[in-house]
Formats: sequence, structure tokens, C-alpha cells
Amino acid sequence: AQSVTQLGSHVSVSEGALVLLRCNYSSSVPPYLFWYVQYPNQGLQLLLKYTTGATLVKGINGFEAEFKKSETSFHLTKPSAHMSDAAEYFCAVSHSGNTPLVFGKGTRLSVIA
Amino acid sequence: EAEVAQSPRYKITEKSQAVAFWCDPISGHATLYWYRQILGQGPELLVQFQDESVVDDSQLPKDRFSAERLKGVDSTLKIQPAELGDSAMYLCASSAGLSTGELFFGEGSRLTVL
Repeated sequence: AQSVTQLGSHVSVSEGALVLLRCNYSSSVPPYLFWYVQYPNQGLQLLLKYTTGATLVKGINGFEAEFKKSETSFHLTKPSAHMSDAAEYFCAVSHSGNTPLVFGKGTRLSVIA
Repeated sequence: EAEVAQSPRYKITEKSQAVAFWCDPISGHATLYWYRQILGQGPELLVQFQDESVVDDSQLPKDRFSAERLKGVDSTLKIQPAELGDSAMYLCASSAGLSTGELFFGEGSRLTVL
């Protein structure tokens, strides 16, 4: 069975500081990995995804993530936080293109001016 | 840009009442999912459809929840009777079922059971 662990339910950074949100996964087969963002009372929006190929994946809004198989990790980073980045972030895993995503519990990102 | 439509956005009901949520996926998306998201947690799958067929409903509480997608397009999720613990956001998502695996989510339906 697949699972996702997001370390830290709440992360707080200063505006302009590095954002690092941690995600570790468990999968018995090569995973498909995703990061989604959710603003209050909204649905989830895809930030980026890894399926195959290049392990460093760039997404929207300046975010990127690196797939590290040896560490079973897919951490999300952004060099410089903006106030508009404050939201809930979810890491998710699946094992093919037509299977449900399994989500982590989420990390709430706060950005301090 | 094509979107997943959900209604209602908000629903307040009393326990033991019936409630229904509707979802219209992106046109052409054969796969449809219903997820439940309890406040402060990640979404959890309730049911997956491929066209009009149920692929996975192992986590759907079938004593009170039902879901259908009769013509393989839009879908309805019903709860009867609602319980206090059903208060959550109900999210619908669709995918083209291709190799990317990306899910497109609607805005969600927030249910409050009093």
C-alpha cells in the first residue's frame, strides 16, 4: 500500500526566505508524485508532478521539487517566499495514471512580513 | 479553461437529514473521484468511477453513503442519514486517465451537520 508522510503540520517562514516542505512516500512500485496547494475553502490546485524522467521538477509560482528514490523523498522548495504563498500544501502519490492519489495530511505554510 | 463543477458550495443540515452533492467533471474525463476532507487533514478517497462503473468504493460507508454516475458524465454523492461526523469538505476530481495521473479538482462542497 502507498502512503505519504509530510513532516511538519505547520511551517512558518519570513517573506523572502527559503521555503522547504518535506514529503516522504512509501510505494512498492515506481511512484507518481504530486504537490497540490489549497487556499481556504477552495479545491486543490496542482503545483507540480513527477512521473518519469528528470528528477528535478519545476512547477507553477516558482516552486520545484526533487525526486530522490534513495531517500524516498519529494521535498518542495521555493527560493523566496511571497505572502501569496500562504496556504495548505499536500503531497500525494499514486502508482499509475489511472489510480487514485493518496494524500499526506498537509502542511500549512505561513509567511510572515 | 475547463473546470470541474460542484454544487452546492456550502450545505448546512441537521443530523438524520438527507443531503446530496453534485459534480460535473471536465468534458471527456472518463475517471471521476469523490474525496472527503476533514478539517485539518488531507483528502481521503470515497469512491472512484471509470465511466459509469465503480472501480473502488472500499472506503465508502455504504450504510449511509451512495454514489452514482448513471450516464458516465456527472455524478451525485448522497448521504442518508447525515451524522455529526460527516461534517467535512467533499471534493470531486476528474482525470483523463492518461499517463500523467493528474487529478483536476472542483471547488468542493462544505457540509456542516448540526
